[in-house]
Amino acid sequence: AQSVTQLGSHVSVSEGALVLLRCNYSSSVPPYLFWYVQYPNQGLQLLLKYTSAATLVKGINGFEAEFKKSETSFHLTKPSAHMSDAAEYFCAVRFTGGGNKLTFGTGTQLKVEL
Amino acid sequence: EAGVAQSPRYKIIEKRQSVAFWCNPISGHATLYWYQQILGQGPKLLIQFQNNGVVDDSQLPKDRFSAERLKGVDSTLKIQPAKLEDSAVYLCASSLLGGSGGVGTDTQYFGPGTRLTVL
Repeated sequence: AQSVTQLGSHVSVSEGALVLLRCNYSSSVPPYLFWYVQYPNQGLQLLLKYTSAATLVKGINGFEAEFKKSETSFHLTKPSAHMSDAAEYFCAVRFTGGGNKLTFGTGTQLKVEL
Repeated sequence: EAGVAQSPRYKIIEKRQSVAFWCNPISGHATLYWYQQILGQGPKLLIQFQNNGVVDDSQLPKDRFSAERLKGVDSTLKIQPAKLEDSAVYLCASSLLGGSGGVGTDTQYFGPGTRLTVL
């Protein structure tokens, strides 16, 4: 079955530290992959997307993600966390043959501490 | 460019009452989506419209939920009657196309959502 998994429902980092949010998918065919961010009481904002071009994708606010087919992963990273990065992050997958339907992970709440 | 608009932003109702949510997509976007986001979970697609036709409503609880997109622009999602488990944020999203034009035209843009509390 096709699915997407985000490991760690809560991640806490210090300001200036590396941010790593994990996302794995289950599919025999590499899908399209997305990361969205959701600030409190707001909708989802697209951070970046993988569309089978470059495997290292750069997004907004200094975030990037690397598609690794062998690991079926699409982890989100940022070299140096900022207080304003505190939010919930969702990995989403558009599986082949599913039209434009997005399947979301359960989300990771990122906390940034001083 | 104006984003996806939704109203109301918050709604509190008693169980067994009815409620309706409204969505206005980004101008020119042919495809519109309604998602349900229960606390602690990722959004789940309820229904997808292409213009004013339904593309996917496989996860819409049709005994109580209904949605329409008249004239292929605005959309309304209704719950009648509401249950306690319907408490969630209802997100509307839109995309230029709906899966046939490549990811560049299929990127979904989300509105701020409507937070529904059923007591």
